[in-house]
Amino acid sequence: AQSVTQLGSHVSVSEGALVLLRCNYSSSVPPYLFWYVQYPNQGLQLLLKYTTGATLVKGINGFEAEFKKSETSFHRTKPSAHMSDAAEYFCAVSVIGGNKLVFGAGTILRVKS
Amino acid sequence: GAGVSQSPSNKVTEKGKDVELRCDPISGHTALYWYRQSLGQGLEFLIYFQGNSAPDKSGLPSDRFSAERTGGSVSTLTIQRTQQEDSAVYLCASSPWGSGGYNEQFFGPGTRLTVL
Repeated sequence: AQSVTQLGSHVSVSEGALVLLRCNYSSSVPPYLFWYVQYPNQGLQLLLKYTTGATLVKGINGFEAEFKKSETSFHRTKPSAHMSDAAEYFCAVSVIGGNKLVFGAGTILRVKS
Repeated sequence: GAGVSQSPSNKVTEKGKDVELRCDPISGHTALYWYRQSLGQGLEFLIYFQGNSAPDKSGLPSDRFSAERTGGSVSTLTIQRTQQEDSAVYLCASSPWGSGGYNEQFFGPGTRLTVL
């Protein structure tokens, strides 16, 4: 079975500061990893995914995430936070042949001006 | 093109009543998923459809919950004899094909269910 742990249910950063959202996973087989964002009263939008190949995945708006097998992590970073980045972010895992996403508990990102 | 749509967007019901939640997936997507998002439980998988069949119902929390999909398109999630603990946001997602694990799932805006 797979599981996801997101460290920090709330993260607060100043505008322009580095953003680090942590995600660790547990999987007995090679995982596929995803980051989704959810704005208030909206559904989930895919931001990044790792399936195979390059372990550093780049998304829109300057966010990127790196798959580290040795650390079972898929942390997401952005060098400079913007007010529009404020939202709730979910890390999720799936596996080859799998048919569902297993989500972490989510991290609410607050950006202070 | 149109994304995944869900109706109603909000539903308030009384304990013990039955409710039906509807999902219209993206046209041509063969796989459809239902998830539940609630305080304290996070995002939980409920059921997966491939076409009209449901090979994975493992997430349905009780036999009060059922779902069907017709014509390989629209899906309905039915909750019978609703309880207060059923209050949550019910999210539907679709993807172009099913098993593979790497397929992006496109989510609808959800139905917020409140059981009084």
